Amino acid sequence: DAGITQSPRHKVTETGTPVTLRCHQTENHRYMYWYRQDPGHGLRLIHYSYGVKDTDKGEVSDGYSVSRSKTEDFLLTLESATSSQTSVYFCAISDRGRTSYEQYFGPGTRLTVT
Amino acid sequence: SQKIEQNSEALNIQEGKTATLTCNYTNYSPAYLQWYRQDPGRGPVFLLLIRENEKEKRKERLKVTFDTTLKQSLFHITASQPADSATYLCALAAMDSNYQLIWGAGTKLIIKP
Repeated sequence: DAGITQSPRHKVTETGTPVTLRCHQTENHRYMYWYRQDPGHGLRLIHYSYGVKDTDKGEVSDGYSVSRSKTEDFLLTLESATSSQTSVYFCAISDRGRTSYEQYFGPGTRLTVT
Repeated sequence: SQKIEQNSEALNIQEGKTATLTCNYTNYSPAYLQWYRQDPGRGPVFLLLIRENEKEKRKERLKVTFDTTLKQSLFHITASQPADSATYLCALAAMDSNYQLIWGAGTKLIIKP
């Protein structure tokens, strides 16, 4: 998985609780992405980062925030989890700039909000 | 509206035959298109990239075509093997999407021995 780890790999949480997912890379790639994957849908971009402290919103950013204080770490936070945020979350990295060449994905985090 | 479509039904192919998967898009001005493979419980893995001014790309048993007039990409696996069984995703980067990848939902390919 191209030097990308995600933690936790599985999490069950209750509605209304905050949740933070972590993505860690050892490739020194500039770009990092958070996606969610749901049955019947393509991967949907939540937020992405183009450098330390530089982030931008994706297609489905409502209810999510991100932070990147170091090149290697990109955190995704659900401030108050809802059942609609039950999903599989993937982190991806890329070293090719805004034109987003091939992306390398982590193993995913399966999040269940009850 | 803008969307990327892949056949949602699983594709069953006999081992040794050529598997062809389709990716259609609407209302985008594409820059390039990528194909990924995803196995159950794992993240997608990049396979091939084809640019809007390229007609065809090959890599070993894989071939991708890109027809911007038909707004379609075809992904071929020749001499298919059971190990090729997986879900295949296409992703389009376009000026309209600020070059962020827009993903199809994937097609599950099953290669039967």
